[in-house]
Amino acid sequence: GESVGLHLPTLSVQEGDNSIINCAYSNSASDYFIWYKQESGKGPQFIIDIRSNMDKRQGQRVTVLLNKTVKHLSLQIAATQPGDSAVYFCAETIGGGADGLTFGKGTHLIIQP
Amino acid sequence: DSGVTQTPKHLITATGQRVTLRCSPRSGDLSVYWYQQSLDQGLQFLIQYYNGEERAKGNILERFSAQQFPDLHSELNLSSLELGDSALYFCASSVIGSGEQYFGPGTRLTVT
Repeated sequence: GESVGLHLPTLSVQEGDNSIINCAYSNSASDYFIWYKQESGKGPQFIIDIRSNMDKRQGQRVTVLLNKTVKHLSLQIAATQPGDSAVYFCAETIGGGADGLTFGKGTHLIIQP
Repeated sequence: DSGVTQTPKHLITATGQRVTLRCSPRSGDLSVYWYQQSLDQGLQFLIQYYNGEERAKGNILERFSAQQFPDLHSELNLSSLELGDSALYFCASSVIGSGEQYFGPGTRLTVT
């Protein structure tokens, strides 16, 4: 089975609201985590990453939180826009990210007008 | 545009056949990764090459093989195709030591 999984397959939010997408991972040896966004008909696009020696990392309108105690990862998107509609995947790897990624099954984020 | 190119965009073939998917990484990236995306299995890592050498293997079937050439482009060869091999195949590339992988637009393979 998957070593990285997502709690919700679909998340619907109002435009302008904040979105929180969750992810659980099971491999305690993973030391590098990434969030990807995949729009329809396109390849995954890197959003933000975090290493296991950090708890939080912020980007432009996005924040990733890592809780190693409960093996949980979340992606927060502030002031959600229509262009944020996509499937979001969390991914993990060991060794700092130089090898292949293990992806979760994805959460489909739907933005309501 | 990620800078990673993949050809062809679509491929339709019959069971038992063999196909080759091609990937050109971003300029300067030495690592190339291949992933398969299907509805039932999700995104799965297949294999990684670094500067022409195989570096890591994931859930790649024995019927599948890959290589990376001196100009750093890579090819994924799929043989004895089965209906279940129908999927999107993505190539990604990265700078060595970086976890940030840049994905191409994918090749959609349909096996009939």
